[in-house]
Amino acid sequence: GQNIDQPTEMTATEGAIVQINCTYQTSGFNGLFWYQQHAGEAPTFLSYNVLDGLEEKGRFSSFLSRSKGYSYLLLKELQMKDSASYLCAVSFTGGGNKLTFGTGTQLKVEL
Amino acid sequence: DSGVTQTPKHLITATGQRVTLRCSPRSGDLSVYWYQQSLDQGLQFLIQYYNGEERAKGNILERFSAQQFPDLHSELNLSSLELGDSALYFCASSVMGHTYEQYFGPGTRLTVT
Repeated sequence: GQNIDQPTEMTATEGAIVQINCTYQTSGFNGLFWYQQHAGEAPTFLSYNVLDGLEEKGRFSSFLSRSKGYSYLLLKELQMKDSASYLCAVSFTGGGNKLTFGTGTQLKVEL
Repeated sequence: DSGVTQTPKHLITATGQRVTLRCSPRSGDLSVYWYQQSLDQGLQFLIQYYNGEERAKGNILERFSAQQFPDLHSELNLSSLELGDSALYFCASSVMGHTYEQYFGPGTRLTVT
């Protein structure tokens, strides 16, 4: 199958750094995306990785290792508004551009 | 605001009924995707259209169908509704059929009673 695995929940402190991991099946890999979703709202695009390495965008960075089938999303200087679900999604070849989503990591930021 | 619009925002209907959900993509986007999000299953891909043609299909039930019109808006038709069809239905769009970021609309919350 095309299982995508990420932790169900994480808790972190305001101002800290948190890393959310994602693993996926490497066969047919065509790109990896991270989305943020607040409860009841639409997912919003955060980052895209297709080559190995780190992509930095403000407080958010995303890393990819294609050979290991591994990615992480790094959130720095956490704010209360970062409390949300973070979705790892992969595009596989042969499927148009459909995204296969993980079940999401619910991040809670505490004072 | 992603630029993708969906109507209606909420829909409550009874089992056995049929409903139509509507999506307008971002200006310039040719590709439209439909996803279903239920509490126990996460976001599931249903179907993709690119410039009016079906491009990819996920685990879409036979009771569900979709189409993309010449003006690029799309409709998802759900028939013979069951309680288990209650979910958030998202539409997303992207510029091309094989490109990168997909931008999601606000969703339609369907409740089947």
